[in-house]
Amino acid sequence: KNQVEQSPQSLIILEGKNCTLQCNYTVSPFSNLRWYKQDTGRGPVSLTIMTFSENTKSNGRYTATLDADTKQSSLHITASQLSDSASYICVVKNTGFQKLVFGTGTRLLVSP
Amino acid sequence: EAGVVQSPRYKIIEKKQPVAFWCNPISGHNTLYWYLQNLGQGPELLIRYENEEAVDDSQLPKDRFSAERLKGVDSTLKIQPAELGDSAVYLCASSSGQTSTDTQYFGPGTRLTVL
Repeated sequence: KNQVEQSPQSLIILEGKNCTLQCNYTVSPFSNLRWYKQDTGRGPVSLTIMTFSENTKSNGRYTATLDADTKQSSLHITASQLSDSASYICVVKNTGFQKLVFGTGTRLLVSP
Repeated sequence: EAGVVQSPRYKIIEKKQPVAFWCNPISGHNTLYWYLQNLGQGPELLIRYENEEAVDDSQLPKDRFSAERLKGVDSTLKIQPAELGDSAVYLCASSSGQTSTDTQYFGPGTRLTVL
């Protein structure tokens, strides 16, 4: 079954600290993996998209990694800011059915 | 450039009543998606359109849900009759549909509460 699992479910960190969010997937055949940021009351916003051949991709203070062999991805946030408080959703696209499989997200709270 | 527009932003109805949501995608985007998002969960696809054709509606509960995108631009999602379990956020998204890595742009969603 195509699934995307994220950990931790929730996380609280102090402003200025770094954190890493994890994503494991069983989606096959794999097309690409995306990380989205969703602020409360808003729709998700794309942070990164990585294909099979990409190991890492950055977007400002956000750096995503992908290990297609172990089917794992991580999102690293550097020097966190209060505005980073949001849910971060890992999404994997399935080549065969052109479907996006969404994880349940990690809820991050950056505390002053 | 305007993003994906959805209306209304909030809707409260009593069970068994009908409700409709409207979405206007980003100009030029051929692919339009409707998602349902429950609290603390990721979005779940209800239906995907390529222009005016519904190419994936396998997860749409067709006994009570219907959708249309008559001219291949804006779209309406309807629920009739609504049930308590339909309370959720309904998200619309669009993409160019030209590559496998094209970005989906989401609207702000409509939060539905069924009493």
